[in-house]
Amino acid sequence: DGGITQSPKYLFRKEGQNVTLSCEQNLNHDAMYWYRQDPGQGLRLIYYSQIVNDFQKGDIAEGYSVSREKKESFPLTVTSAQKNPTAFYLCASSIDTRAYNEQFFGPGTRLTVL
Amino acid sequence: KNQVEQSPQSLIILEGKNCTLQCNYTVSPFSNLRWYKQDTGRGPVSLTIMTFSENTKSNGRYTATLDADTKQSSLHITASQLSDSASYICVVSVGAQKLVFGTGTRLLVSP
Repeated sequence: DGGITQSPKYLFRKEGQNVTLSCEQNLNHDAMYWYRQDPGQGLRLIYYSQIVNDFQKGDIAEGYSVSREKKESFPLTVTSAQKNPTAFYLCASSIDTRAYNEQFFGPGTRLTVL
Repeated sequence: KNQVEQSPQSLIILEGKNCTLQCNYTVSPFSNLRWYKQDTGRGPVSLTIMTFSENTKSNGRYTATLDADTKQSSLHITASQLSDSASYICVVSVGAQKLVFGTGTRLLVSP
């Protein structure tokens, strides 16, 4: 069963803590993405990766970090430097980073800062 | 500035009725336009993709139209079902470089 998985589904964080969101895909896609979704706003790109061991900042990268050590995995760390981290986080993948290719999304992780 | 605007922001219809969602865009260069359906608390799922040369495309009860001259797209839902309750997001590709996301239309189908 191919697709993208994200874990956990819900995550609670105390202020000052770093947390890591998991994203795994078995679609054999080279490109992976992290988006943030807030009520009343369109998806905003945090980071993306074209290939293993390479990643680029998106539009709102401050306070976030990523790694791409394996093709299948693209974890996102929300650091204590992110001022307003409460949001719904979506991971996506596509064949490559050309924008006209379809992106397939995971089920999302809802992060709440207590 | 590349922008995608969707209307209405939210919509309530009775089960079995039809509805039409609108998407206006100002991007350059235009590559394609996708409509995604996002159930509450889930990731978006692609419904249709429209390229410059396509006017209409159907996917079951969903029909998307594209007018490249006026830079408008619509998503028509026929004979709505309770399971159609979701957010519908219009996404436009700017060349090969970037995606621009609309803020979505939240549809509630009431029994």
